[in-house]
Amino acid sequence: EPEVTQTPSHQVTQMGQEVILRCVPISNHLYFYWYRQILGQKVEFLVSFYNNEISEKSEIFDDQFSVERPDGSNFTLKIRSTKLEDSAMYFCASSERGNQPQHFGDGTRLSIL
Amino acid sequence: AQSVTQLGSHVSVSEGALVLLRCNYSSSVPPYLFWYVQYPNQGLQLLLKYTTGATLVKGINGFEAEFKKSETSFHLTKPSAHMSDAAEYFCAVSDGESGGTSYGKLTFGQGTILTVHP
Repeated sequence: EPEVTQTPSHQVTQMGQEVILRCVPISNHLYFYWYRQILGQKVEFLVSFYNNEISEKSEIFDDQFSVERPDGSNFTLKIRSTKLEDSAMYFCASSERGNQPQHFGDGTRLSIL
Repeated sequence: AQSVTQLGSHVSVSEGALVLLRCNYSSSVPPYLFWYVQYPNQGLQLLLKYTTGATLVKGINGFEAEFKKSETSFHLTKPSAHMSDAAEYFCAVSDGESGGTSYGKLTFGQGTILTVHP
């Protein structure tokens, strides 16, 4: 069965540094998402992406965050200047259409020192 | 705005016993509802979904859930727990098709950790 793959599985970064989290969605999917889960808290929506542009974003997704689909397969989340509170598990998801079930990757654990 | 409340952050059952995980939602439009399961160090796996039609939906691994609009609930059940069911379970809601333009944003509950004792 096709899977969403995320790399790396664990990223350790110094505060203030830029970080890029990478995702390869399922190939025929058109909608892409990023979520995060801070330890002990609920999974939170960050952003949705469709037709090469952001379709919806949460209050968390401020100017420090950006998303990109640089080629036909990758979907990336960039955090420009990381803060301690960005430490979390970041999940990428994709779906064939909006409101179709989303398929999630295994996540990237981001640790900010 | 949407919200999801899962009653009970931890549920413990004996192997073979009924599993009941509670989920209540709030939505201003007819919702789509989902249950996901997360095993340690893994991503979220879809268990089942309700969109329209039959209110009792069956999913993988013997789980099922019933959409009750009057109670704004979508509780997850399994008649007989198995050791392999031990995991964290998340209820989630998104706008249904009648919600107009929707890109499928999911709003999650806080999760319920299911422990199964021998």
